[in-house]
Amino acid sequence: EVQLVESGGGLVQPGGSLRLSCAASGFTFSNYAMHWVRQAPGKGLEWVSGISGSGGSTYYADSVKGRFTIYRENSRNTLYLQMNSLRAEDTAVYYCAKGRWTMVRGDQFDYWGQGTLATVSS
Amino acid sequence: DIQVTQSPSSLSASVGDRVTITCRASQSISNYLNWYQQKPGKAPKLLIYVASTLQSGVPSRFSGSGSGTYFTLTITSLQPEDFATYYCQQSYTTPYTFGQGTKLEIK
Repeated sequence: EVQLVESGGGLVQPGGSLRLSCAASGFTFSNYAMHWVRQAPGKGLEWVSGISGSGGSTYYADSVKGRFTIYRENSRNTLYLQMNSLRAEDTAVYYCAKGRWTMVRGDQFDYWGQGTLATVSS
Repeated sequence: DIQVTQSPSSLSASVGDRVTITCRASQSISNYLNWYQQKPGKAPKLLIYVASTLQSGVPSRFSGSGSGTYFTLTITSLQPEDFATYYCQQSYTTPYTFGQGTKLEIK
């Protein structure tokens, strides 16, 4: 059974940093691209970032480029999102999602974690 | 970036009804269009990918069609568990973009 468990959310001041983690199980982690998708309170879904199965290719939304870094440790079956220079508009539930393919391009999200809430506020 | 526009933003229907939700892309995305269902407080669930392929385990009353810039999600014979918010998403090119969502409510 595929399981994705996010952690690392919390309250942080504007300009601060958070690192989100996503522990994966039930599939061969290195064979699949992984993604982060966020949802601000009461709003729709926004794709944040994606990474290929090998970790060699990464992609970002314009809204987070230069501030967020996605990476993975295939030996630990874990996906990460390092979030720096956080802003109030980054407040959201962050979901990790498994891709259906190894590469990010043309991918879909077939399994999702339960999400972790990151709140940016003073 | 490719814009994806869903309509309607909300929809009221009764159990047993047939409903259709549409999604338009700002440029051709071939068939790289996916549909997700989200219930309150839960993570989204993949229903249909590449426009018309039903994800494993999804009931056959869900179907998708379209290509290029125009796509539809149809639910035949609505069931109580189908009342939720639905999102389309293009995966033709990054940054991936979602529609704004369609909230399907019980009439």
